[in-house]
Amino acid sequence: ETAVFQTPNYHVTQVGNEVSFNCKQTLGHDTMYWYKQDSKKLLKIMFSYNNKQLIVNETVPRRFSPQSSDKAHLNLRIKSVEPEDSAVYLCASSHKNSNERLFFGHGTKLSVL
Amino acid sequence: SQLAEENSWALSVHEGESVTVNCSYKTSITALQWYRQKSGKGPAQLILIRSNEREKRNGRLRATLDTSSQSSSLSITATRCEDTAVYFCATDASSGSWQLIFGSGTQLTVMP
Repeated sequence: ETAVFQTPNYHVTQVGNEVSFNCKQTLGHDTMYWYKQDSKKLLKIMFSYNNKQLIVNETVPRRFSPQSSDKAHLNLRIKSVEPEDSAVYLCASSHKNSNERLFFGHGTKLSVL
Repeated sequence: SQLAEENSWALSVHEGESVTVNCSYKTSITALQWYRQKSGKGPAQLILIRSNEREKRNGRLRATLDTSSQSSSLSITATRCEDTAVYFCATDASSGSWQLIFGSGTQLTVMP
């Protein structure tokens, strides 16, 4: 049963365009995350957002930025996409921190032409 | 480099057989989690085993944790075709860490 909702499911765009992905969780969790999953299924943490505190993985390029209106929403914006941004972007949430169960959405698959 | 790593990239078994996925990790941990990701879906947690636990079960699944060798295993008995998925182990780097670091995953295929 899905309680973390991501839109869109797929997005195809061209290099240099701006894209935005949405994520909403209905679990009442305090913390939300964005992960990037490449074609080899490797999952890399990008951001964590808790109580208006944003923690950024230092390897994430600055063209990526999370946006939150409340603790149930954490969107992801990519300012000027590049070919290496092609991947599946997975949103997740947890009650408090990462030392407990994460609930994931189905992901948004981005293809950059 | 990954803090956690599964030891096999891919495994295949026939339905009804048992299979074990192994994982090794590099730092001290507070807990280790096993996730399963089916095609087109996000990962879903199977088991969370804390550093003071040696074994945890969930139906046909059994996870073990050996903190001395920094390794864990996930065993699935009586496998079914629907167990076909990528299996990940994941750890937090240290207590209170915000990052849950995933291994590279093991693709398990269960054949009829």
